[in-house]
Amino acid sequence: DADVTQTPRNRITKTGKRIMLECSQTKGHDRMYWYRQDPGLGLQLIYYSFDVKDINKGEISDGYSVSRQAQAKFSLSLESAIPNQTALYFCATSEGDRDTGELFFGEGSRLTVL
Amino acid sequence: GQNIDQPTEMTATEGAIVQINCTYQTSGFNGLFWYQQHAGEAPTFLSYNVLDGLEEKGRFSSFLSRSKGYSYLLLKELQMKDSASYLCALLDSNYQLIWGAGTKLIIKP
Repeated sequence: DADVTQTPRNRITKTGKRIMLECSQTKGHDRMYWYRQDPGLGLQLIYYSFDVKDINKGEISDGYSVSRQAQAKFSLSLESAIPNQTALYFCATSEGDRDTGELFFGEGSRLTVL
Repeated sequence: GQNIDQPTEMTATEGAIVQINCTYQTSGFNGLFWYQQHAGEAPTFLSYNVLDGLEEKGRFSSFLSRSKGYSYLLLKELQMKDSASYLCALLDSNYQLIWGAGTKLIIKP
């Protein structure tokens, strides 16, 4: 089983619908992240959380919200999806060691907004 | 501001050596990462450099020159399974990762 699990893996929805992407991890890491990946662009950070009570906006947080329900769970919501939110979304975790910062990624959630 | 540049695509031959370059501009630096991403899959960690010089790890090596804002990933004895995108990422002064767009490496027999 994957250490970082994302659901759903694929989702097609319509403009204006509310969508939630869920992430759970068994690595015991405190830090969790949501990224989106678009063709030809680098990974862009949406939100990150360093522990259950800590939520921080990333570089492209507009149109997104998150919830850290537990150390192991971090969900991403699109309150009213729009077509330019069509992308591949990755959840990732890391240990609290700033010196390495190695990220462990989930398998990705491909979202299409029509 | 911060900027990372790497070639969009490279082609190499099975068994050969390839060097993927990454140049960056940043006001603060806390390390440089290389990740491998096969098509449709998640990125996986390859290497981390924070000091100048070469870090070797099996067939893969990563080099860093902080004064030149330059890193490269060297892949030796290329195998078909090395066909993937290679992502360069900079850890900035706020310990946030800034990602390059990735280099798609195509390996030919």
